[in-house]
Amino acid sequence: GAVVSQHPSWVICKSGTSVKIECRSLDFQATTMFWYRQFPKQSLMLMATSNEGSKATYEQGVEKDKFLINHASLTLSTLTVTSAHPEDSSFYICSASHRGTGGGGYGYTFGSGTRLTVV
Amino acid sequence: SQKIEQNSEALNIQEGKTATLTCNYTNYSPAYLQWYRQDPGRGPVFLLLIRENEKEKRKERLKVTFDTTLKQSLFHITASQPADSATYLCALVRRDDKIIFGKGTRLHILP
Repeated sequence: GAVVSQHPSWVICKSGTSVKIECRSLDFQATTMFWYRQFPKQSLMLMATSNEGSKATYEQGVEKDKFLINHASLTLSTLTVTSAHPEDSSFYICSASHRGTGGGGYGYTFGSGTRLTVV
Repeated sequence: SQKIEQNSEALNIQEGKTATLTCNYTNYSPAYLQWYRQDPGRGPVFLLLIRENEKEKRKERLKVTFDTTLKQSLFHITASQPADSATYLCALVRRDDKIIFGKGTRLHILP
């Protein structure tokens, strides 16, 4: 089945530094990937849509200069949190869409998530 | 703006019984609706999808219904097992393929 690998699974960084999170589709090509953020006991909030070979589309309220997204190939998208602050600490998750077989329909595969802690 | 609500934050069900989770949405007519399972510290795992012209979809012990008049979906797990304990997310898929998630229902299957 379709697999999305996300790395690292957790990271601790100092305030003011930048952190890069990678999202790879291992056995399918993903022209579109999505990046989400999830706070404890909250729903996943879409941050941006990453399009291969073009600029990402950000949701309202998400700072594009702070959350840099690069989708350089059909299997890799990266999210860089620049000048991280403690309030950026969260669970970041990527996903990619594919013509899956689960449930007989068009499924989305999610990465396992990255727990970012800014100290 | 579109809203999606899962009416129970947590639900305790005795093992062997049927667990029923509810998802209601407003201000939109989605092309389809999905259900995911999420374990602590992990990304969501896709379970089932149901389209707007479908009333019911089944997969093994799982069943999803979709009532576009009531703007509601029900998710059932029959013969529930402790391993079914997790958070279950309802997701509305917009026609631009973006997903709006509910907050989820934490299901506890009691042995």
